[in-house]
Amino acid sequence: DSGVTQTPKHLITATGQRVTLRCSPRSGDLSVYWYQQSLDQGLQFLIQYYNGEERAKGNILERFSAQQFPDLHSELNLSSLELGDSALYFCASSVTALSGELFFGEGSRLTVL
Amino acid sequence: DAKTTQPTSMDCAEGRAANLPCNHSTISGNEYVYWYRQIHSQGPQYIIHGLKNNETNEMASLIITEDRKSSTLILPHATLRDTAVYYCIDSNNAGNMLTFGGGTRLMVKP
Repeated sequence: DSGVTQTPKHLITATGQRVTLRCSPRSGDLSVYWYQQSLDQGLQFLIQYYNGEERAKGNILERFSAQQFPDLHSELNLSSLELGDSALYFCASSVTALSGELFFGEGSRLTVL
Repeated sequence: DAKTTQPTSMDCAEGRAANLPCNHSTISGNEYVYWYRQIHSQGPQYIIHGLKNNETNEMASLIITEDRKSSTLILPHATLRDTAVYYCIDSNNAGNMLTFGGGTRLMVKP
C-alpha cells in the first residue's frame, strides 16, 4: 500500500461525456502527478502540481484539466471523451517538487464506449 | 530526458539472482538512474536509485558502471512475486522528468 488513494477504481462511460478522477496523496506529500497508461503508449506524464500550483505539464490534452486543492488532494477532469481516452490513469505523490521517488496509487481504469 | 535501453524480456529461475541491465549512454552528470517496477496493471513501485555509487536497499542492489553509461539492477533471490515490468529511467531528480520507456518484462519461473 503506497498511501496514495485513487477513486474510482473503475469507470465506464460513453463518448462525449465528462469524468472526474480523484487522488489523495500520501500524508505529508505536497506534490501530485498524473500519468496515463494506455496499451499502445505506455506510461505518459500528464501534469504535476506542487502545493496547489501547477508545476509541470506533459502530454496533457486540452480536453483534460487538473487541479490540486488546499487539502492537497487532486482531481483530473477529462471531458469530451473519445474512445482513445480509455486507459489507466495513475496518480503519484512525492514529498517535494523535485523528487524522483514517486509513490503511485493503484490507478483508475477508464473505459470509454 | 535522455533515453534508456533495456531488453524487452528476461526469464529468471525462482531463488536465483535476477540481473536486469540498462544502457543509458547519454546520461548527463546530474542525472540519477531510477528503477521502478510495475506488477500487472498495478501502480508502478519505486525500487532504488543512484547517481554514481552502487546502492543497496531491502529490495535490490544497483550497480552503476564507472562511466555511468550502464547499470544493472540485481534482485538477489527472485521470487514469483517479482514477476513484473522493470523500468530503468534516468532523471535529473525531478519527478516530472520521469519518462517511462518500454521496460523489461521479467518472468520468474518456478
